[in-house]
Amino acid sequence: DTEVTQTPKHLVMGMTNKKSLKCEQHMGHRAMYWYKQKAKKPPELMFVYSYEKLSINESVPSRFSPECPNSSLLNLHLHALQPEDSALYLCASSQEGLNYGYTFGSGTRLTVV
Amino acid sequence: GENVEQHPSTLSVQEGDSAVIKCTYSDSASNYFPWYKQELGKRPQLIIDIRSNVGEKKDQRIAVTLNKTAKHFSLHITETQPEDSAVYFCAASYGNMLTFGGGTRLMVKP
Repeated sequence: DTEVTQTPKHLVMGMTNKKSLKCEQHMGHRAMYWYKQKAKKPPELMFVYSYEKLSINESVPSRFSPECPNSSLLNLHLHALQPEDSALYLCASSQEGLNYGYTFGSGTRLTVV
Repeated sequence: GENVEQHPSTLSVQEGDSAVIKCTYSDSASNYFPWYKQELGKRPQLIIDIRSNVGEKKDQRIAVTLNKTAKHFSLHITETQPEDSAVYFCAASYGNMLTFGGGTRLMVKP
């Protein structure tokens, strides 16, 4: 298995909702990432997990809460989002140390209404 | 932190011509430089990468060059085809931090 699987592919949520994005990989990668991508912009790093521990948090608002239950799974819990949070959310994984390239998931297209 | 600048932001070429995209980076500690291709509505896909101990790497029609002294690296696509049309992102990293350039929209006209 050489893929990163993200669910759901599309999500529409209200500003008072709570939802979760899920990411799964079975390549034995020990580093996992959440990126946010707005239209016509590059991906922006949100969080990095290394060996299931949060190692980097790029000053992301607390309405985004990451979780890494085990080495294959990564979740992003969403609560009280704003319309400007609408974007493509990409999960990625890599071997620890990075210098092997990221494998990106297909992303979740999130719309906040 | 690392800052990656990418030029041009858009590039239009005729099918069969070559395309060159250039990036500069700021952090001399960066040691890994991947290039990603992103088609509309799809995920970024790694197309080629280069490490700081190598000056050039080639894979069929795609090549990447790295000048560590000048802190710049470039993507070269030869014999472009319409299916090469996409947004291309360069990136630079040290450890687990991958910083992307702003992207280049490449359009290959048949």
